[in-house]
Amino acid sequence: GDSVTQTEGQVALSEEDFLTIHCNYSASGYPTLFWYVQYPGEGPQLLFRASRDKEKGSSRGFEATYDKGTTSFHLRKASVQESDSAVYYCALSFNSGGSNAKLTFGKGTKLSVKS
Amino acid sequence: EAAVTQSPRNKVTVTGGNVTLSCRQTNSHNYMYWYRQDTGHGLRLIHYSYGAGNLQIGDVPDGYKATRTTQEDFFLLLELASPSQTSLYFCASSAAYEQYFGPGTRLTVL
Repeated sequence: GDSVTQTEGQVALSEEDFLTIHCNYSASGYPTLFWYVQYPGEGPQLLFRASRDKEKGSSRGFEATYDKGTTSFHLRKASVQESDSAVYYCALSFNSGGSNAKLTFGKGTKLSVKS
Repeated sequence: EAAVTQSPRNKVTVTGGNVTLSCRQTNSHNYMYWYRQDTGHGLRLIHYSYGAGNLQIGDVPDGYKATRTTQEDFFLLLELASPSQTSLYFCASSAAYEQYFGPGTRLTVL
């Protein structure tokens, strides 16, 4: 079945550090890829998505580029802030009949940023 | 903006107990979902629905039932709760690509 593998566990950075969270997927087809962010005490929320090869998604200084060749969608940010501390999930979905279908999530990566 | 609410926010029950978790969305979305979130596993889909009376099986359905009574309301039922079902449960809804999540229900099975 479809699966998403992302940087496991926790990433600890200082403010203004560069962030990379790796995400690779395995799917029999051409999925839409997502990054969701979950702040403490809240449900996940969409950060951005990309639907085709070489498309770049971005939001709040975060970005990721869909790479079908390497089946990757790595999350990057040039300069993290303490407020970016959260759990980040990579996910994929296959659009079904024009409506949303289920998401397959990675296991999540907890980002902790200290000032 | 989509609004998804869940109740209760916290629940403690005993092994073998009967639990119902409730979810309501007020944005007329067709799709609704139930997930569980566990350390080391991330978010896993239990059941989902694309409309009133419809139910689709997710990736970890064992021990769970669900029912979608209206477009707004989606319920998760644990009829014989077990300690392995101790988890944080999220409901979500969507109309297109984006899923909107509720605040979660923390369930503890003693």
